[in-house]
Amino acid sequence: GAVVSQHPSRVICKSGTSVKIECRSLDFQATTMFWYRQFPKQSLMLMATSNEGSKATYEQGVEKDKFLINHASLTLSTLTVTSAHPEDSSFYICSARDHGLANTEAFFGQGTRLTVV
Amino acid sequence: GENVEQHPSTLSVQEGDSAVIKCTYSDSASNYFPWYKQELGKRPQLIIDIRSNVGEKKDQRIAVTLNKTAKHFSLHITETQPEDSAVYFCAASKRGGTGGGNKLTFGTGTQLKVEL
Repeated sequence: GAVVSQHPSRVICKSGTSVKIECRSLDFQATTMFWYRQFPKQSLMLMATSNEGSKATYEQGVEKDKFLINHASLTLSTLTVTSAHPEDSSFYICSARDHGLANTEAFFGQGTRLTVV
Repeated sequence: GENVEQHPSTLSVQEGDSAVIKCTYSDSASNYFPWYKQELGKRPQLIIDIRSNVGEKKDQRIAVTLNKTAKHFSLHITETQPEDSAVYFCAASKRGGTGGGNKLTFGTGTQLKVEL
């Protein structure tokens, strides 16, 4: 199947700093990528939809100025957690679907475990 | 928006028994229903999916059924094995468009434990 690569897999940062997470589709083009957050023993909660060449669409309750999303190409989306605080510690996962196929399998990155100290 | 409910939250079965996980959805426009298996600290892996034009789909020990009228779908795992132990998520999405199409809404997850 298609491959989505996410980096870093694990990051520890100090409170108040920013962290950038990359999500790449390696063998297909993705006009849309999705960013999820997953707290321990909970479900994947959609944070935002990343649209290539335009602004991201954020879910209700997600601060767009805190979680900056950039989707500069058909294979790369980035999520930047700005001014991180301990409550931002979570597992962040991106996903993407093939540009040319509507409503098909979503492929997930390996996730990023963010710990803010 | 779409709301997906999933039950049970935990399920413990004996090896060799069957396991059934049920989900309901709220948006009648949803037409794609995947099931994911997630092991601790890892990415979700698709195990089976079904589209709204089909009522049932089977892949070896795994099957999914869909009732569009009632807006619910279920995952069936037969002859369970210890390696089936994981968290399972159902999800729903609809065809792309301006109304939030193509994004997956996940259920709350089911922790399946297969005991020897």
